[in-house]
Amino acid sequence: DIVMTQSPDSLAVSLGERATINCKSSQSVLYSSNNKNYIAWYQQKPGQPPKLLIYWASSRESGVPDRFSGSGSGTDFTLTISTLQAEDVAVYYCQQYHSTAFTFGPGTKVDIK
Amino acid sequence: QVHLQQSGPGLVKPSQTLSLTCAISGDSVSSNSAVWNWIRQSPSRGLEWLGRTYYRSKWYNDYAPSVKSRITINPDTSKNQFTLQLNSVTPEDTAVYYCARGPPFSWGQGTLVTVSS
Repeated sequence: DIVMTQSPDSLAVSLGERATINCKSSQSVLYSSNNKNYIAWYQQKPGQPPKLLIYWASSRESGVPDRFSGSGSGTDFTLTISTLQAEDVAVYYCQQYHSTAFTFGPGTKVDIK
Repeated sequence: QVHLQQSGPGLVKPSQTLSLTCAISGDSVSSNSAVWNWIRQSPSRGLEWLGRTYYRSKWYNDYAPSVKSRITINPDTSKNQFTLQLNSVTPEDTAVYYCARGPPFSWGQGTLVTVSS
């Protein structure tokens, strides 16, 4: 199985400031045949299922604010919240769908400083 | 926009079978492009993909190695839904269980299943 790691475990950011979350896969999730990275990012708030934010590493899901962006390729990926809002307090997960069984990172908790 | 509605008991006794259903609206379980999954979440194991079913001229299933000997995921085309059965449960199977389409995943609302006598 592909192992996903995330850093940091948690971070506290002031409102309006940038939050950056890193995700690393134990092997490349880039398919050379279509040049796509099989990485998704999810946001989860307490008592709710995860919500899809980003797919193909950098494509924003419809309706997701443009302050959320994804980048990276191969084994190293980043989710950036450009200007943190109060409603962005949540746990964020990366997930690979390059190989079955699909695997998730352990999550990064984002709070307001 | 797909909507997934889960149902099933929230309490299961050890050694018995956990059974959940996911009703689909806005898509078809027999779609040639969709994939239907079960995922669980617990504090000890995090988010764990359990398995999937999908139709590509015939039905296919894939299961996570950690549960492969105990799990069955079945489509129900008459009701446009799919089901999860997990046999011989232990307290370690206590988790919130989600059905989902994808990946990338669109999720059901989740069902907390507690394994306890």
